[in-house]
Amino acid sequence: GQQVMQIPQYQHVQEGEDFTTYCNSSTTLSNIQWYKQRPGGHPVFLIQLVKSGEVKKQKRLTFQFGEAKKNSSLHITATQTTDVGTYFCAGPRWTSYDKVIFGPGTSLSVIP
Amino acid sequence: SAVISQKPSRDICQRGTSLTIQCQVDSQVTMMFWYRQQPGQSLTLIATANQGSEATYESGFVIDKFPISRPNLTFSTLTVSNMSPEDSSIYLCSVVVGALDTGELFFGEGSRLTVL
Repeated sequence: GQQVMQIPQYQHVQEGEDFTTYCNSSTTLSNIQWYKQRPGGHPVFLIQLVKSGEVKKQKRLTFQFGEAKKNSSLHITATQTTDVGTYFCAGPRWTSYDKVIFGPGTSLSVIP
Repeated sequence: SAVISQKPSRDICQRGTSLTIQCQVDSQVTMMFWYRQQPGQSLTLIATANQGSEATYESGFVIDKFPISRPNLTFSTLTVSNMSPEDSSIYLCSVVVGALDTGELFFGEGSRLTVL
C-alpha cells in the first residue's frame, strides 16, 4: 500500500543551527502537507504544496515539493527553542482521496 | 477554518469499561476523522465518520471495538469499548474544510486515555 516515510526520526540541534527533515512517498501525491505538533499538543497545519518543484517560505521555514511529486523537505534556518516539536508530512491516499496518510514524523529537539 | 472542541481531554479508566469521546465542530463539515496516536508515534486513522452513513473503518479497527456516531454535520462521538491497557493512547478528532485532496486538516486537542 501507499507509504509515506520521513527521515530522520529524531534530530537534536543546538539553538541557531539549521534543521532539515525529508519526506518520501511511495506514490505520486496530488499535494503534500506539513504539520507541527508541539509536545503535549495536537497537530497544527503549516503548509500545503501542490505544484511540482514548488518552494514556499514561512519566515525561517522553507518547504519544497519534488519535481516528481513524491518527495518533500522542510528546512528551518537558525532554529529557536520555539521550533521544538514533531514535524509530520502527509498526503492524500492516491487511489481514492478519502484519507490522509501521515508520515512517522521527525522529532526536533533544540538545545539552548 | 474550523474550531474543534473535544472532550474529555483526559481520563483514567479501568480495564473492561467503555468511554465515549465527543467532538464538536463550530461549522458544518462533511468528513470527520478519528485518529489514534500512541506515545511517540504518528497518527493512525481509525475511521472516517460521515453524516447519514456508517463509519468507514481502517484495517485493524472494528465497529464493535470503536463504535462511532455522526448524528449531524457538526458532531461525532467515538466509543472505546471494553478497554485494555493497550488502548491507552491519545484519540484525536479531525475535520477537513473543503475537499480532502486540497484542504487542510484541523484537529481537536485530543483525548488522552490511560487504561489501568
